[in-house]
Amino acid sequence: EPEVTQTPSHQVTQMGQEVILRCVPISNHLYFYWYRQILGQKVEFLVSFYNNEISEKSEIFDDQFSVERPDGSNFTLKIRSTKLEDSAMYFCATGQGPGELFFGEGSRLTVL
Amino acid sequence: QQQVKQSPQSLIVQKGGISIINCAYENTAFDYFPWYQQFPGKGPALLIAIRPDVSEKKEGRFTISFNKSAKQFSLHIMDSQPGDSATYFCAASKNTGFQKLVFGTGTRLLVSP
Repeated sequence: EPEVTQTPSHQVTQMGQEVILRCVPISNHLYFYWYRQILGQKVEFLVSFYNNEISEKSEIFDDQFSVERPDGSNFTLKIRSTKLEDSAMYFCATGQGPGELFFGEGSRLTVL
Repeated sequence: QQQVKQSPQSLIVQKGGISIINCAYENTAFDYFPWYQQFPGKGPALLIAIRPDVSEKKEGRFTISFNKSAKQFSLHIMDSQPGDSATYFCAASKNTGFQKLVFGTGTRLLVSP
């Protein structure tokens, strides 16, 4: 069964450091998303990406965040200067269009 | 208007019982309502979804009931099993290509043996 793959599964970083989270989408999917889940809380939308550009972003997705598809397959989320409050589980999700979104297993980010 | 309210926050059900989780939304533009199941340390996985042209959808032991006029929808798990113990999230989105999901706050279900 096709799946969304995320790396790393867990990253610990110091406040102010840059972090890149990576996602390999399901091969024929065209829509890509990042969501975030702070421990014990609900899943929150960060950004959607289609046709090599951001289609929508939330208030959380400020200038410290960026996304790209550097090689046409991987989909990355970069946090330029991490803050303590960025500690969360980050989920990549992909889809073919309106309908089911497939989520990866997440990357846990711990900012110290 | 973008919120989806979910209750209860936690639920304990005996094995074989019925688990019921409720959600309510405000935005009438929402027209896709999925339920996701999440096990600890895993990503959310789609369980079942409904669109507002039907009032009920059943897949195995899982049923979504949808009340468009009340802007409410619920998940019923029949014959609940210990393996169903997980966190359940309702969600909603507009039927566009970008599928930005607005999630409820989650219900932690424990099915006791």
